[in-house]
Amino acid sequence: KAGVTQTPRYLIKTRGQQVTLSCSPISGHRSVSWYQQTPGQGLQFLFEYFSETQRNKGNFPGRFSGRQFSNSRSEMNVSTLELGDSALYLCASSLAVRGYDTEAFFGQGTRLTVV
Amino acid sequence: DAKTTQPNSMESNEEEPVHLPCNHSTISGTDYIHWYRQLPSQGPEYVIHGLTSNVNNRMASLAIAEDRKSSTLILHRATLRDAAVYYCILRDVENAGNMLTFGGGTRLMVKP
Repeated sequence: KAGVTQTPRYLIKTRGQQVTLSCSPISGHRSVSWYQQTPGQGLQFLFEYFSETQRNKGNFPGRFSGRQFSNSRSEMNVSTLELGDSALYLCASSLAVRGYDTEAFFGQGTRLTVV
Repeated sequence: DAKTTQPNSMESNEEEPVHLPCNHSTISGTDYIHWYRQLPSQGPEYVIHGLTSNVNNRMASLAIAEDRKSSTLILHRATLRDAAVYYCILRDVENAGNMLTFGGGTRLMVKP
């Protein structure tokens, strides 16, 4: 079956702009999580959506937001971009059934560069 | 999620076994031990996970200490393709969420 698909793969934006990234999870997976990876901070959890509801949220400013659609596809948005937002943004999907441990499947990521 | 401690880097020779250690002294009863790895320029990929008993799959083996305060990921014959950053993560199964807390991981270098 198809894996997790993230679009676009690369993006260059100017400071102050906003950006929207997209993630299509594996068919049947209702949980989608987003992560930011930078050389300095490593992999950090942004937020998770399950059945169109935000279920967990990491320690990021309100400029970072997301949403999930009824088909489980998810988008994340970053407003008023700062140079420090330059990073690899990763999406992961999972079955995430309570009481059962399941693995997460990651996409290739979107490389965002803010100039 | 509870914290894990891993060495920053390890080196191995190709076709030799590799033992990657992980300490998790504050593990709780509902924490599963997960291992992921990240190859260069790719997203992390799942390797293996377990709760109490040792686990084997086609990629690796996971040896879990009896007190569950440490675990070891075993690659039976390292190949050049196994060069990656390996992350040991604890995941609370009672929290059905998909949140994974990544530490710094161990960078594995494989020499030909």
